[in-house]
Amino acid sequence: RKEVEQDPGPFNVPEGATVAFNCTYSNSASQSFFWYRQDCRKEPKLLMSVYSSGNEDGRFTAQLNRASQYISLLIRDSKLSDSATYLCVAYGGATNKLIFGTGTLLAVQP
Amino acid sequence: SQTIHQWPATLVQPVGSPLSLECTVEGTSNPNLYWYRQAAGRGLQLLFYSVGIGQISSEVPQNLSASRPQDRQFILSSKKLLLSDSGFYLCACRTGSPLHFGNGTRLTVT
Repeated sequence: RKEVEQDPGPFNVPEGATVAFNCTYSNSASQSFFWYRQDCRKEPKLLMSVYSSGNEDGRFTAQLNRASQYISLLIRDSKLSDSATYLCVAYGGATNKLIFGTGTLLAVQP
Repeated sequence: SQTIHQWPATLVQPVGSPLSLECTVEGTSNPNLYWYRQAAGRGLQLLFYSVGIGQISSEVPQNLSASRPQDRQFILSSKKLLLSDSGFYLCACRTGSPLHFGNGTRLTVT
């Protein structure tokens, strides 16, 4: 089983739609979680950290469910510019490693 | 804020040739440094990480090696490249905050 799993998609949604991505992690000792965005042929860039109480940044909302070991990202009012691959990341335990999921591809269409 | 320099941006090398990719970091000290590889259509694979000068942890047994001769310098090397070494190589830095990536080197082994 992969340490961090995501649905690869693609998620094809119209502009203005709300879309949600889920990500599960297997290491219960994971301490921190993040969502990154990666545009085609570019490096990943931090989108937002995920806090236990849930957090929001504009149209983006991230949530963490430790009991079920998953995190989610909700994007409201999708824009064409939101089209990208969204990577879920877990950091945990005794190592200094961040483990990335394989990413979920989002394609927002006009 | 920290800045990560990676070069070259693109590289085409024949099978069996050596490799040296360099990453330098500015704007921070004592960072954790990482080398990731992303093969076409696949997720980020952690290759090496370093918590200090001369300290290297290898995640995947392969024909690559890494060195950290200075606090803010991280080098990825190979004596003989394989076709399977093709990919997008990303250096990343972390100092108590989420991971930040350099622009990456796209390596094609022919």
